Amino acid sequence: DAGVIQSPRHEVTEMGQEVTLRCKPISGHNSLFWYRQTMMRGLELLIYFNNNVPIDDSGMPEDRFSAKMPNASFSTLKIQPSEPRDSAVYFCASSLFMGAADTQYFGPGTRLTVL
Amino acid sequence: KQEVTQIPAALSVPEGENLVLNCSFTDSAIYNLQWFRQDPGKGLTSLLLIQSSQREQTSGRLNASLDKSSGRSTLYIAASQPGDSATYLCAVSFQGGSEKLVFGKGTKLTVNP
Repeated sequence: DAGVIQSPRHEVTEMGQEVTLRCKPISGHNSLFWYRQTMMRGLELLIYFNNNVPIDDSGMPEDRFSAKMPNASFSTLKIQPSEPRDSAVYFCASSLFMGAADTQYFGPGTRLTVL
Repeated sequence: KQEVTQIPAALSVPEGENLVLNCSFTDSAIYNLQWFRQDPGKGLTSLLLIQSSQREQTSGRLNASLDKSSGRSTLYIAASQPGDSATYLCAVSFQGGSEKLVFGKGTKLTVNP
């Protein structure tokens, strides 16, 4: 299996632009997680899905952030409009079962820089 | 507030040394605790998962223990090697929420040849 696939690996954009991050989970996994990692705040869960349905989006910082999972093999995290404070590494992870009871497999991350 | 703390933030040891990484958490009502490894520029790799009913888990040279009552976990690495150099993160799934993982900020380990 190719593991969790994220694209792009690096994204540099200007403040105010729309940014879309993409994730393909491991085939057969039912849960998908979006995390953000910064030096100041560490790794934070933004949102997670189970069977394509959002279960907990309490970590989404504000309305500028949105996430979708239209099918079992694809998810997007969109930031519109982007701001410099959104600069971080964004990770997608998937697991076979819902919640933290199962091992989560992480993608390589997308490093986002907003100028 | 449910928090996970890892001290120290960085640790440097000579090759071959046995070492212990520490993790503390604020609420003893947990589902499980996990240890991850993160290499520079990479994602996280799960090392060990300890369910709340367990006291420890072992994988090769790694042994993780859990003491819920004191809110502590340790990751023991035996006979450390330069390849063990990475950041090690502890994550806890607290009860009463949606089972999401709350991460510590990690301990950056350097094993010197």
